[in-house]
Amino acid sequence: SAVISQKPSRDICQRGTSLTIQCQVDSQVTMMFWYRQQPGQSLTLIATANQGSEATYESGFVIDKFPISRPNLTFSTLTVSNMSPEDSSIYLCSVLPDRVGEQFFGPGTRLTVL
Amino acid sequence: DAKTTQPNSMESNEEEPVHLPCNHSTISGTDYIHWYRQLPSQGPEYVIHGLTSNVNNRMASLAIAEDRKSSTLILHRATLRDAAVYYCILRGLQGAQKLVFGQGTRLTINP
Repeated sequence: SAVISQKPSRDICQRGTSLTIQCQVDSQVTMMFWYRQQPGQSLTLIATANQGSEATYESGFVIDKFPISRPNLTFSTLTVSNMSPEDSSIYLCSVLPDRVGEQFFGPGTRLTVL
Repeated sequence: DAKTTQPNSMESNEEEPVHLPCNHSTISGTDYIHWYRQLPSQGPEYVIHGLTSNVNNRMASLAIAEDRKSSTLILHRATLRDAAVYYCILRGLQGAQKLVFGQGTRLTINP
């Protein structure tokens, strides 16, 4: 299993600023993912952040807007850059310890951009 | 990514069984069928997964059609705590291993 914590749990930011979200896992995992969940919507995958390689971004998401760091097997950060109100969402970190099994999700970071 | 189709919403009564359907006609031979649920104001949580055979765990059962083009998540005795959005997702062993969420089924449980 894996227990994930995220910081901050929520934040209110001004447009044009950036916020870095931290994800800490209680065990070493290779595969890590960042998702966004806009109000009333399902989860959308932003990127896959495997340790030792560059993050792989999904269509519609770019590194300049959502830079990701993955310095080791238990930690990652996602930065939301030059924020606009459209970036108001819940951002979730997720890990996959076993290729076949259960994927674990963090509690999310609720971001509001004014 | 192989696509799944689920009803937008379903409703059931407390202490009754619930059968949540999922169609995945384009499933490939190496795709696992995963079910996750998201309770209000929480991140998704794993429910169950399978490949070909029916699966049971403490939370639910997964019935997989013989041709694997559909599956059904079965909650044997629903409680109010089972009210959530249920997602049926295919994930293969090849490539990126990512979970791609559709819109899911919003399950309402009536007391």
